[in-house]
Amino acid sequence: GEDVEQSLFLSVREGDSSVINCTYTDSSSTYLYWYKQEPGAGLQLLTYIFSNMDMKQDQRLTVLLNKKDKHLSLRIADTQTGDSAIYFCAESITNFGNEKLTFGTGTRLTIIP
Amino acid sequence: EAQVTQNPRYLITVTGKKLTVTCSQNMNHEYMSWYRQDPGLGLRQIYYSMNVEVTDKGDVPEGYKVSRKEKRNFPLILESPSPNQTSLYFCASSLRGRGSDGYTFGSGTRLTVV
Repeated sequence: GEDVEQSLFLSVREGDSSVINCTYTDSSSTYLYWYKQEPGAGLQLLTYIFSNMDMKQDQRLTVLLNKKDKHLSLRIADTQTGDSAIYFCAESITNFGNEKLTFGTGTRLTIIP
Repeated sequence: EAQVTQNPRYLITVTGKKLTVTCSQNMNHEYMSWYRQDPGLGLRQIYYSMNVEVTDKGDVPEGYKVSRKEKRNFPLILESPSPNQTSLYFCASSLRGRGSDGYTFGSGTRLTVV
């Protein structure tokens, strides 16, 4: 079955690194995503990783994928106040031609000045 | 500007009064989908559409209807809304619904049913 889990809250001091973790259960996932939701806004795609990759880096963002443990993480270097948001992990699974996204509950990242 | 537009942003209605939430995209995307977001539950898929006149149920379709008569529009219809449909709704689109295409989300519609 499909289940994506994240912790609900994370607080980090400004300038430190934030690490948001996610676990998923479906080993047939093709892509795994990180989305950011700012207050009152929709979801914005931050980055994604293909399931046969271990790591992807994009400026301050580093995604690590441990396929054996079905664990995905997002590291944000030099966390800024503008990084305050809810971060959603999502996996995509193709089933009869439909690629469906399954989202985690979201992690609310709070930046401490 | 490439975007997904939902209307209205906020809606308060009474139980049983039919309503429609509109969704429109200007990117010529084939794939469109509706999600609802509830605290502690993340986003759950309601319905999706692979192309014009092709729609199918997601994980939580009960109490909802959709139609896809044109490529750009994918309205969500609540024939007889109930309080348990109070939620934040998002429409999303993707070129073909493939992971590498990415998904573009609308800004959301906050629905309250009293």
